[in-house]
Amino acid sequence: NAGVTQTPKFRVLKTGQSMTLLCAQDMNHEYMYWYRQDPGMGLRLIHYSVGEGTTAKGEVPDGYNVSRLKKQNFLLGLESAAPSQTSVYFCASRTGYTQPQHFGDGTRLSIL
Amino acid sequence: AQKITQTQPGMFVQEKEAVTLDCTYDTSDPSYGLFWYKQPSSGEMIFLIYQGSYDQQNATEGRYSLNFQKARKSANLVISASQLGDSAMYFCAMRRSGGGADGLTFGKGTHLIIQP
Repeated sequence: NAGVTQTPKFRVLKTGQSMTLLCAQDMNHEYMYWYRQDPGMGLRLIHYSVGEGTTAKGEVPDGYNVSRLKKQNFLLGLESAAPSQTSVYFCASRTGYTQPQHFGDGTRLSIL
Repeated sequence: AQKITQTQPGMFVQEKEAVTLDCTYDTSDPSYGLFWYKQPSSGEMIFLIYQGSYDQQNATEGRYSLNFQKARKSANLVISASQLGDSAMYFCAMRRSGGGADGLTFGKGTHLIIQP
């Protein structure tokens, strides 16, 4: 059972570079999320999607863009990476309103 | 705005003892959901238990139970008969609401260490 798969698992970027994190889920979930986790903090919501073709801002959306062109994929983009975006990024998905979110294993991103 | 507070940054507990991890929340929405997640040192997020605001009974899942006190706005996680494998970070989270918002708001977590 693949569940939620994040690609890549690790990445080092230089300030100003761009990159895209990929999240893929095989559970046919409508709802998908991107979070970031910084040391000593809980997860904070960056962007989310309630269905194919729709996206919305979370708590900390600045500096990130997202796209949901296919139901199973949710992409997180950094157009011009900054050191403040060094973090562990988690993708999650869920089905019904009371159902828990299923998380990927995370992407550890370092911006130098 | 919603807020989750976990007041115990770290806890040391002897193996086989029961553990209570505190969580208080703040929301003005009468309908809400509360979740607990476990994050071991390997980093993945593992769902443990869910409590809805209108649920009549406290949620239970195996060794995990939720002490839900609505009037006090608290949703403490109780782990019975702790095991060495319970050592991990534990996060309390609330479903976001208001204005069509979605996703979870997390607390800062409690680092639980089970000692043999």
